[in-house]
Amino acid sequence: QKEVEQNSGPLSVPEGAIASLNCTYSDRGSQSFFWYRQYSGKSPELIMFIYSNGDKEDGRFTAQLNKASQYVSLLIRDSQPSDSATYLCAVRSGRDDKIIFGKGTRLHILP
Amino acid sequence: EAGVAQSPRYKIIEKRQSVAFWCNPISGHATLYWYQQILGQGPKLLIQFQNNGVVDDSQLPKDRFSAERLKGVDSTLKIQPAKLEDSAVYLCASSPRGLQDTIYFGEGSWLTVV
Repeated sequence: QKEVEQNSGPLSVPEGAIASLNCTYSDRGSQSFFWYRQYSGKSPELIMFIYSNGDKEDGRFTAQLNKASQYVSLLIRDSQPSDSATYLCAVRSGRDDKIIFGKGTRLHILP
Repeated sequence: EAGVAQSPRYKIIEKRQSVAFWCNPISGHATLYWYQQILGQGPKLLIQFQNNGVVDDSQLPKDRFSAERLKGVDSTLKIQPAKLEDSAVYLCASSPRGLQDTIYFGEGSWLTVV
């Protein structure tokens, strides 16, 4: 059974600080990794995707991937109250093209 | 570019009744997904279509759920008879063909079974 694990939180971070969100996955054949943000009552929206080991930066967001450790993370710099949401980690298998989601981490940015 | 369209947005039914949800993916997207998201949990894949063929339906409760994608475009997800535990958001998503393509979600169809 392929799994994607996230700490459910809530994770509370002061405004302006760095928020660090983590995700582990069980399928070593996974090829693509995604972070989605979901506001209460809304559908998930894509923040970032990463395919290769290392870091990928986009504005205030940095995704980090370590395939050997089966670990992917999302860093949010200069956290804003509008970043308060649930962050979903998703992993696409290289074998069957399925995209599996974790349960999400609730992030609270404290003003 | 138009996004993934879903209807109805909200539905309240009594247990043992039936309900159907419709999805129109982004034009040209070969892969269509139906996810179920229960409050406080991540989306759970119910069924995945590639064009009009089923790629995976291993987590679809086939005794009560059915889905089809006619002509490789629109899709319908049906629940009959509904149970209380089916109360959830049903998210349709689509993706271009390719392992490095992300998926794009519709607004979701919110189902409450009473």
